[in-house]
Amino acid sequence: QTVVTQEPSLTVSPGGTATLTCASSTGAVTSGHYPNWFQQKPGQAPRALIYTTTNKHSWTPARFSGSLLGGKAALTLSGVQPEDEAEYYCLLYSGDGWVFGGGTKVTVL
Amino acid sequence: QITLKESGPTLVKPTQTLTLTCTFSGFSLSTSGVAVGWIRQSPGKALEWLSLIYGNDDKRFSPSLKNRLTITKDTSKNQVVLTMTNMGPADTASYYCAHRERSSFDNWGQGTLVTVSS
Repeated sequence: QTVVTQEPSLTVSPGGTATLTCASSTGAVTSGHYPNWFQQKPGQAPRALIYTTTNKHSWTPARFSGSLLGGKAALTLSGVQPEDEAEYYCLLYSGDGWVFGGGTKVTVL
Repeated sequence: QITLKESGPTLVKPTQTLTLTCTFSGFSLSTSGVAVGWIRQSPGKALEWLSLIYGNDDKRFSPSLKNRLTITKDTSKNQVVLTMTNMGPADTASYYCAHRERSSFDNWGQGTLVTVSS
């Protein structure tokens, strides 16, 4: 079964840039994995941010962007705001179904 | 506006079968490419994708749980039902349903917490 790996944690200063990555145990992540990214704050349901690698939802702040980077899916937060402190999850299509990564805890400090 | 809401028992005993219902509005499962998925999250843990059903009754399951899961739909009632057999303490989690379209799980329910305990 596919294992999806994310950085466990990341600390970024307000106004800074953070790049989170998402790797697949089966090899390079491609657009065929239809990478999705979600933000989850404590006590809340996940909120969708990015789908099919780069596409934003209507509610996704412009400072969030998705890409493929070095064989991984990536989520970049540019001009980080205090309210961006949250857990971020990627989701990849694996052929059998979908697999979430373990999540990245982003701390804004 | 798309909304989804999960409902079901908050407490189940070990070995019992869990039945959860996702009631949705703002979209139709009859629309091509639209699906409803189920995801869970154990306390303090990561999200785990469980299952998904399309309007044409195509179904997908997590390989690790496929022997325990059933997913059905009632298009006329705008509902999707997930059943999970042989529940154990490790299945204690918040269970979410989500709308899927264009390879995006864009709208989620608020989730329902299910505790497995005798």
